[in-house]
Amino acid sequence: GQQLNQSPQSMFIQEGEDVSMNCTSSSIFNTWLWYKQDPGEGPVLLIALYKAGELTSNGRLTAQFGITRKDSFLNISASIPSDVGIYFCAGSTSGTYKYIFGTGTRLKVLA
Amino acid sequence: ETGVTQTPRHLVMGMTNKKSLKCEQHLGHNAMYWYKQSAKKPLELMFVYSLEERVENNSVPSRFSPECPNSSHLFLHLHTLQPEDSALYLCASSQDLRIFNTGELFFGEGSRLTVL
Repeated sequence: GQQLNQSPQSMFIQEGEDVSMNCTSSSIFNTWLWYKQDPGEGPVLLIALYKAGELTSNGRLTAQFGITRKDSFLNISASIPSDVGIYFCAGSTSGTYKYIFGTGTRLKVLA
Repeated sequence: ETGVTQTPRHLVMGMTNKKSLKCEQHLGHNAMYWYKQSAKKPLELMFVYSLEERVENNSVPSRFSPECPNSSHLFLHLHTLQPEDSALYLCASSQDLRIFNTGELFFGEGSRLTVL
């Protein structure tokens, strides 16, 4: 079946550092979503991407829809302690609700 | 606040109990979903409803029974569950099933279920 590989699985960074994570697949996607999930809470949508090459920002977050349509990237600039959480991607290949989800990147920020 | 509200937030039940999870969305969306989130696994789609009609049952055991009385409310009825059913159950909604340019999926805060 289709799979999304998300990396890294976890990251420990210092406050103020920039963070990069990505999702890759062997399948071609036409929609990417990026979420953040805090412990015991539901995922919160950060950014949605619909076109290959699209670069979209939301505050200190920037996400890109890869040109090959098989990957997507999320960058966080100047990290702060409240960035701690699990970030995961979701992709749809079919233009419908059938999203495939990554396993998440656990981010910890050291003050 | 995402506009999707789930109750209860936490539920502990025995294997012989019957309980229900409730979801309400205030976004005017037409599609609603139940997902299961287990530790270290990707989200698993369980059920999909569009305009109160079930469009997908993703090979979910019959001990999970969904109900969608209207486009704003979704229930998940639980009976004779197993300990391996313990997980975070997430409700979500989207504008429609087709997602070109409007594909945002909004999740509730989840119901943490523990089966003893």
